[in-house]
Amino acid sequence: DVKVTQSSRYLVKRTGEKVFLECVQDMDHENMFWYRQDPGLGLRLIYFSYDVKMKEKGDIPEGYSVSREKKERFSLILESASTNQTSMYLCASSTVNQPQHFGDGTRLSIL
Amino acid sequence: QKEVEQNSGPLSVPEGAIASLNCTYSDRGSQSFFWYRQYSGKSPELIMSIYSNGDKEDGRFTAQLNKASQYVSLLIRDSQPSDSATYLCAVINAGNNRKLIWGLGTSLGVNP
Repeated sequence: DVKVTQSSRYLVKRTGEKVFLECVQDMDHENMFWYRQDPGLGLRLIYFSYDVKMKEKGDIPEGYSVSREKKERFSLILESASTNQTSMYLCASSTVNQPQHFGDGTRLSIL
Repeated sequence: QKEVEQNSGPLSVPEGAIASLNCTYSDRGSQSFFWYRQYSGKSPELIMSIYSNGDKEDGRFTAQLNKASQYVSLLIRDSQPSDSATYLCAVINAGNNRKLIWGLGTSLGVNP
């Protein structure tokens, strides 16, 4: 079974802090994704990566950056957290033309 | 027009009935189609994949794909209260086989 592990289930941070969300997958998938999900807005893609050190912007990259130094790990960084970044963050991985598999999600609150 | 459209619901069915969920997509070249289930506060989990026209059955779930009409549906037979969730339709477009294009989901409630 595919295992995608996100570092935290719940996280509380303050505005202006730099926040790191970590994601690790164990299936040697080349593709990894970061989404945020808000009520009524569905899944929105922030960034994805199709190889080590490669990244592409998704639909809402502003205020975020990512890092992929190793194939199994994909990090999302909130450079200066703001209250409108309070959300559920979901990491997923996949191989080409196949479905994505999700981690349990991180519920992030910015105070 | 959204790339992947679903009726937001809520769809309400009695226990034991058939629940029918529909999804339409705009990219005629799409090749891969997926249904995910998402319980409140949880992450999406894959329940069905379908790649060719016709029906695909897995237990109580049947996915139906009609590429000519550009729709994919999910039937849940003998619906149970535990099937109450949001069902997300996702499609891989021809232009980019790495990303999924997501619908907003249909909320299903199964009443005992």
